[in-house]
Amino acid sequence: DGGITQSPKYLFRKEGQNVTLSCEQNLNHDAMYWYRQDPGQGLRLIYYSQIVNDFQKGDIAEGYSVSREKKESFPLTVTSAQKNPTAFYLCASSISLLGTGGYGYTFGSGTRLTVV
Amino acid sequence: AQKVTQAQTEISVVEKEDVTLDCVYETRDTTYYLFWYKQPPSGELVFLIRRNSFDEQNEISGRYSWNFQKSTSSFNFTITASQVVDSAVYFCALGDNAGNMLTFGGGTRLMVKP
Repeated sequence: DGGITQSPKYLFRKEGQNVTLSCEQNLNHDAMYWYRQDPGQGLRLIYYSQIVNDFQKGDIAEGYSVSREKKESFPLTVTSAQKNPTAFYLCASSISLLGTGGYGYTFGSGTRLTVV
Repeated sequence: AQKVTQAQTEISVVEKEDVTLDCVYETRDTTYYLFWYKQPPSGELVFLIRRNSFDEQNEISGRYSWNFQKSTSSFNFTITASQVVDSAVYFCALGDNAGNMLTFGGGTRLMVKP
């Protein structure tokens, strides 16, 4: 079945460390997104990518970095510059940012990152 | 700019009660899409429904129904005879005229007590 796989499900990071969250999709979607969700809060956009080798900052990109070397993969690195990284991270994809049809997003199951 | 407001941050009901989750949106587009997603405790957002701006028919799917009213810019979601399994956070979202960049509301946490 097609879908989005995020790994790991739980991740613990020591202060000062960089960590990378994986997001892989086999839906042949062009666009991919990273969102951050804090407890009891909504979704905030970190980065998005419309096409391979291109990505754009979202509302809260500081302290994060991404790459899009393959259509299927959109990993997110939480750097040591992110002062409060403890949160739930969701990856999503859609057919095309510039496409038509209003198909919305497909989401992964998320990664819960905790700083220890 | 697009905006989605879910004024109810948290709702608590007793099982079998009906409950309506409100969603009000703002957009200048004439063509747009509205969505509802469910986020159960496991965390993954699950798609529930999509509506385009030209289709104002209400929709019913089992115990779920949606009321789309362009005149009031609202897309409300009603759960009839709620069940404990309905406990989740529900997000309303608005898509632009290409339908793929979504603006999310802040979510409504629904707690259904037995």
